[in-house]
Amino acid sequence: NAGVMQNPRHLVRRRGQEARLRCSPMKGHSHVYWYRQLPEEGLKFMVYLQKENIIDESGMPKERFSAEFPKEGPSILRIQQVVRGDSAAYFCASSPRAGGYQETQYFGPGTRLLVL
Amino acid sequence: AQSVTQPDIHITVSEGASLELRCNYSYGATPYLFWYVQSPGQGLQLLLKYFSGDTLVQGIKGFEAEFKRSQSSFNLRKPSVHWSDAAEYFCAVGGGSQGNLIFGKGTKLSVKP
Repeated sequence: NAGVMQNPRHLVRRRGQEARLRCSPMKGHSHVYWYRQLPEEGLKFMVYLQKENIIDESGMPKERFSAEFPKEGPSILRIQQVVRGDSAAYFCASSPRAGGYQETQYFGPGTRLLVL
Repeated sequence: AQSVTQPDIHITVSEGASLELRCNYSYGATPYLFWYVQSPGQGLQLLLKYFSGDTLVQGIKGFEAEFKRSQSSFNLRKPSVHWSDAAEYFCAVGGGSQGNLIFGKGTKLSVKP
């Protein structure tokens, strides 16, 4: 049973380019969370999605960042016109169903984004 | 606002010694508390969680944690550390309206032979 998959594992972009990060949840999971880990920091919540719906995007920066979780395919976190401050590790977590904290979130290995 | 504090940034213990990692939280209601471990370059693995009931929670890999409401703490313990326990440990509280987690900054554990 494969775990949460994220790709790419490492991504290098120049300032102004776009970054697309993909997350495939565990089989049978329909809830996805994205977190960002800045250097020397803990993880910070960004967005919570269910299939075709954004449930909570209170942690997303207001500009340049967007997320989707289509009916088919992985969840995508998209960062437009990247800046150096976007350099971080981005983690995706999935859970099988809505249930708040009662449902364990399973984390992927992360995508390390480096902006030059 | 909800928050999690892990006072120790880096701890070094000898292999076979006991371990306690501190975690303090700020949360208005009954907290849902978690400990995760992150090995270098890897994702986070859940060690244990507390929702209610017995305040001493057993987890994987021989870890346990004790919830103390009076001290707003949820410290992680292990009686005898193994070299493979070297990693970064994150305490988290369920703080968002939809189940998202609020993490502390982490404690990096080094193990001396």
